[in-house]
Amino acid sequence: EPEVTQTPSHQVTQMGQEVILRCVPISNHLYFYWYRQILGQKVEFLVSFYNNEISEKSEIFDDQFSVERPDGSNFTLKIRSTKLEDSAMYFCASTRQGANQPQHFGDGTRLSIL
Amino acid sequence: DAKTTQPNSMESNEEEPVHLPCNHSTISGTDYIHWYRQLPSQGPEYVIHGLTSNVNNRMASLAIAEDRKSSTLILHRATLRDAAVYYCILTALQGGSEKLVFGKGTKLTVNP
Repeated sequence: EPEVTQTPSHQVTQMGQEVILRCVPISNHLYFYWYRQILGQKVEFLVSFYNNEISEKSEIFDDQFSVERPDGSNFTLKIRSTKLEDSAMYFCASTRQGANQPQHFGDGTRLSIL
Repeated sequence: DAKTTQPNSMESNEEEPVHLPCNHSTISGTDYIHWYRQLPSQGPEYVIHGLTSNVNNRMASLAIAEDRKSSTLILHRATLRDAAVYYCILTALQGGSEKLVFGKGTKLTVNP
């Protein structure tokens, strides 16, 4: 069964540095998402992306965050200047159609900011 | 976003059925009811979804109340692998995208 894959599984970065989290969605999917989960807390929506542009973003997704689909397979989340509070699990998800279709999640990237 | 209410935790024995309840009294007519689960150290995993009628798939069954103000996820025979946090989520269609709003969910413990 096709899967969403995320790399790296664990990223350790110094505060203030830029980080790029990578995702390969399922190949025929058209809608892409990023979520995050701070340790012990709820999964939180960050951003949705369709047709090469952001469809919706949350308050968390400020100017320090950006997303890109640089080619036909990858979907990336960039944090320009990381803060300690960015430490979390980041999950990528994709779905074939946006409307009420199951979202398929990757196993996440654990981001640790020192 | 319409809200859901779930018990914080439930416990079951292996090979017994499990009924996980969810209340969503403010559901609107176009909201779908989705269930996801999150196993330890993994990303959320889709389980099932429905609108008005009861639904069955290979993982579970979803029973939806006639007034749609509540639903129940049914695992017919719990296994140790079903131990996870289960989330009941209502989806609101906005501009073609569909974010998932996760609550705290129900932590299911399965005893051997």
